[in-house]
Amino acid sequence: AQTVTQSQPEMSVQEAETVTLSCTYDTSESNYYLFWYKQPPSRQMILVIRQEAYKQQNATENRFSVNFQKAAKSFSLKISDSQLGDTAMYFCAFMKPGSARQLTFGSGTQLTVLP
Amino acid sequence: DTAVSQTPKYLVTQMGNDKSIKCEQNLGHDTMYWYKQDSKKFLKIMFSYNNKELIINETVPNRFSPKSPDKAHLNLHINSLELGDSAVYFCASSQAGGGGYNEQFFGPGTRLTVL
Repeated sequence: AQTVTQSQPEMSVQEAETVTLSCTYDTSESNYYLFWYKQPPSRQMILVIRQEAYKQQNATENRFSVNFQKAAKSFSLKISDSQLGDTAMYFCAFMKPGSARQLTFGSGTQLTVLP
Repeated sequence: DTAVSQTPKYLVTQMGNDKSIKCEQNLGHDTMYWYKQDSKKFLKIMFSYNNKELIINETVPNRFSPKSPDKAHLNLHINSLELGDSAVYFCASSQAGGGGYNEQFFGPGTRLTVL
């Protein structure tokens, strides 16, 4: 079974600054997918970024980028130029390819962007 | 148009009652999911279902049952509700197949409160 660990329950950052959220995972699979989801106070789950394990290049989506270290089983999210709208709970998630395609989530990091 | 919708958004009920939460997706996806988010915001898969198989997380009590009248709907039935069932329940859908990744789209969630 896969496990996903987020060791930072809460973080804060000043507007316009950069913050990094940590995630580690444990799996015996060689091929899998990793995700960061954002859940603002509206409760809606929003996909922020994804990474395929077979790709060495780190994924980037505008102000969001990841640092994927496969050997270390680490998958951190960097948010640059933080905005007030980035305030949310962030979940790291793992998916094993296959018929189930179920997401395994970490416990989440509550990020607050301060004005 | 809402891609994945759930009704109701809020549900308050007494212990021992039987209730259902409806989920509909208009994305033409063939796989649907139910996730449970507890009071500590921890998200856990309950079921994944397509027209070929139902995969049940082993920790889900058999009081919970998914029912799919057609590909666009996956309803969640809960019998004999208990206090511990209070949570936010999320429906999601994705397109299966291809052996790779297909994004899961989440509904807005249903907050269930059992008194």
